[in-house]
Amino acid sequence: AQSVTQPDIHITVSEGASLELRCNYSYGATPYLFWYVQSPGQGLQLLLKYFSGDTLVQGIKGFEAEFKRSQSSFNLRKPSVHWSDAAEYFCAVGAHQGGKLIFGQGTELSVKP
Amino acid sequence: GAGVSQSPSNKVTEKGKDVELRCDPISGHTALYWYRQSLGQGLEFLIYFQGNSAPDKSGLPSDRFSAERTGGSVSTLTIQRTQQEDSAVYLCASSSGWGGKETQYFGPGTRLLVL
Repeated sequence: AQSVTQPDIHITVSEGASLELRCNYSYGATPYLFWYVQSPGQGLQLLLKYFSGDTLVQGIKGFEAEFKRSQSSFNLRKPSVHWSDAAEYFCAVGAHQGGKLIFGQGTELSVKP
Repeated sequence: GAGVSQSPSNKVTEKGKDVELRCDPISGHTALYWYRQSLGQGLEFLIYFQGNSAPDKSGLPSDRFSAERTGGSVSTLTIQRTQQEDSAVYLCASSSGWGGKETQYFGPGTRLLVL
């Protein structure tokens, strides 16, 4: 069965520190992978996506993610976190037919001044 | 152009009443998705539309839930005989296709509270 696991429910980092949010997936074929961000009171916004090719993908707001097939992982990274990055982050795998998204439980990011 | 819009933004209803939630997708987007976000279950897929057809309704939690889409545009999610466990944020998304690679653009959601 298709599934996504985000092991960290809540992470706190200091402003300016680096960030890595973990995501593990289970999918029978080459996965379509997505990271979305949800700021308080706002809808979900796509940060980046991966389908094939270069396993390191760049997204908006300075985020990047690396696909590692051997580890079934698609971790999100940012070299230097800003206070405005505080939000909830969702990893998702997309079905090849129809495109429905299967989301992880989300990781809430807090940023300390 | 405008993004995905949803109405109402908030809905409070009494247990047993029916509710209708509306989604206006981005103009020209042929695929439309409904998701539910709740504390206990996270973000769950409910149903999606290709045009006016719904090939995948597998996420609808019970037969109290139904959805339709008309004119390849507006969609309505109806919940009959609401229960307290239906309380959640209902999110709609649209995309230019349904092949899996297209970006889904989400609306702000409808927050439903069943008393």
